[in-house]
Amino acid sequence: DVKVTQSSRYLVKRTGEKVFLECVQDMDHENMFWYRQDPGLGLRLIYFSYDVKMKEKGDIPEGYSVSREKKERFSLILESASTNQTSMYLCASSQDRNEKLFFGSGTQLSVL
Amino acid sequence: EDKVVQSPLSLVVHEGDTVTLNCSYEVTNFRSLLWYKQEKKAPTFLFMLTSSGIEKKSGRLSSILDKKELFSILNITATQTGDSAVYLCAPDKVSNFGNEKLTFGTGTRLTIIP
Repeated sequence: DVKVTQSSRYLVKRTGEKVFLECVQDMDHENMFWYRQDPGLGLRLIYFSYDVKMKEKGDIPEGYSVSREKKERFSLILESASTNQTSMYLCASSQDRNEKLFFGSGTQLSVL
Repeated sequence: EDKVVQSPLSLVVHEGDTVTLNCSYEVTNFRSLLWYKQEKKAPTFLFMLTSSGIEKKSGRLSSILDKKELFSILNITATQTGDSAVYLCAPDKVSNFGNEKLTFGTGTRLTIIP
């Protein structure tokens, strides 16, 4: 079974802190994604990557950056966390461009 | 702008009932529509629908797509408490960069009462 692992289930940070959310997949998938999920808004795509060192903006990239130095790892970076970035963050991966996503268990980030 | 609307937002039924969840969409360069089930944290894949009118089935779950009317339904028969979850639909499209990405609806929260 494909496994997508997110490093933290719960994270509490202060406003202005730099935050790293890590995601690792073990199935050699080409594509990786970062979403955030908020009540009433559903899952919204922040960034995605279809190859090592490649990244594309999703629908809400402002305030975020990403890094994909290795195929299996996709990191989401909040350079200066703000309270409106309190959310559930979900990482996902897929092998093909049009195939189903496999999701990690999510990181609930609270920015105080 | 792409739009995905799921209805109802929330549904509470008794075990054994049959439910129908709806998803309507407006997306450019539509390719397929996917359904996911989210019980606690990680959404898990249910179906991918590409062609109109062809029902996909998995046990008590089934789904169908209407590409002319731009909607899909997810049916669950003989519901069980384990079906309690948020059900997400996600139209898949070809993006400006040529890579497909999903646009998720806000989901239908289904609660099954024993």
